[in-house]
Amino acid sequence: NAGVTQTPKFRIPKIGQSMTLQCTQDMNHNYMYWYRQDPGMGLKLIYYSVGAGITDKGEVPNGYNVSRSTTEDFPLRLELAAPSQTSVYFCASSPGLNYGYTFGSGTRLTVV
Amino acid sequence: AQSVTQLDSHVSVSEGTPVLLRCNYSSSYSPSLFWYVQHPNKGLQLLQKYTSAATLVKGINGFEAEFKKSETSFHLTKPSAHMSDAAEYFCVVSDQAGTASKLTFGTGTRLQVTL
Repeated sequence: NAGVTQTPKFRIPKIGQSMTLQCTQDMNHNYMYWYRQDPGMGLKLIYYSVGAGITDKGEVPNGYNVSRSTTEDFPLRLELAAPSQTSVYFCASSPGLNYGYTFGSGTRLTVV
Repeated sequence: AQSVTQLDSHVSVSEGTPVLLRCNYSSSYSPSLFWYVQHPNKGLQLLQKYTSAATLVKGINGFEAEFKKSETSFHLTKPSAHMSDAAEYFCVVSDQAGTASKLTFGTGTRLQVTL
């Protein structure tokens, strides 16, 4: 049972490059989320989705885009990588309200 | 709006002594509260969950958390710390407004366990 799988684990894009962080879950969860974690700041919600074809912005969506064409996949796209996007990114999924989340192992992104 | 305050950014205890990690929350709704643990260079793992049932909830690895509505607190405790408990702990509140639950994270408490 893989749970939530994130790829890649590490990435070092140059300023201005575009790139996609992949997230896949095999638990048939409707809800999926992208968070970024910065030191001393906890986790901040970037985007979330309540099902295939439905996405919405979180607290810090600027500079990011998402799509949800299937229940399993929820990729996060950085259109123009910026140093401010250097962070650790976590994808999570949940079956619904009042349930805890299952997190992926994270992607460490360093923009140079 | 909801928020979470973790009162200590760093807690250090000796192995075998009790652990107390403090959390206060603010929520417009009847909240769901969680504790997550993150070991170095790892993802986050659900440790505790409170969803309006028993006020004292038992989680994994001997941890307990007590929900006190009058104090808007959800403190995490363990009677005897183990070296393997050293990690970052996040208190989390769930906003149930709308069609999806969205978690708001505290800034974390780093637990150090010494011999």
